[in-house]
Amino acid sequence: DAKTTQPNSMESNEEEPVHLPCNHSTISGTDYIHWYRQLPSQGPEYVIHGLTSNVNNRMASLAIAEDRKSSTLILHRATLRDAAVYYCIKRGAQKLVFGQGTRLTINP
Amino acid sequence: DTEVTQTPKHLVMGMTNKKSLKCEQHMGHRAMYWYKQKAKKPPELMFVYSYEKLSINESVPSRFSPECPNSSLLNLHLHALQPEDSALYLCASSHGVSGQPQHFGDGTRLSIL
Repeated sequence: DAKTTQPNSMESNEEEPVHLPCNHSTISGTDYIHWYRQLPSQGPEYVIHGLTSNVNNRMASLAIAEDRKSSTLILHRATLRDAAVYYCIKRGAQKLVFGQGTRLTINP
Repeated sequence: DTEVTQTPKHLVMGMTNKKSLKCEQHMGHRAMYWYKQKAKKPPELMFVYSYEKLSINESVPSRFSPECPNSSLLNLHLHALQPEDSALYLCASSHGVSGQPQHFGDGTRLSIL
């Protein structure tokens, strides 16, 4: 079961938007795209998920490519509290298979 | 604050000890999970319970024994662990097993002497 591909690290400035990319070229028609983040010394925290359409919630937006082979998590206005490891995951039946994730650093 | 509660937060045990990790949720979720996370690595799935029945065992050694006594509780019984089993053990739950988001606890940090 191929995992997703994300950049190892990204850096952004406080109060600026952040776009976190993810490639999932082997995604099947029934796999959801999930994003989680993990702050230091905490368990992973659900951020957002989607199947085909773009999604918005209070934390972030998820833009899904038309062919579903890639997606982008958008943090509209980053704060220092958004510094974390962000995981993009294909959510099939029963399993979350975590890839290596992107370590996001936010500069003040 | 997390809605999935794991106890203890920290555990140090010898290789001959028997101990248990506990996980509790009161969200009415019917799927529960155990993950293992080594330092600077992503979580790795160990077990999945669906409606209190074990549905996935990711080839975990038998020194780890899961138990789901009811829909709110998940235990992980530990016996004769090895130093390489030292890790953060995470519990998660979800409404069902297909597609729904998982809610994670903050884990038990286990050290094997």
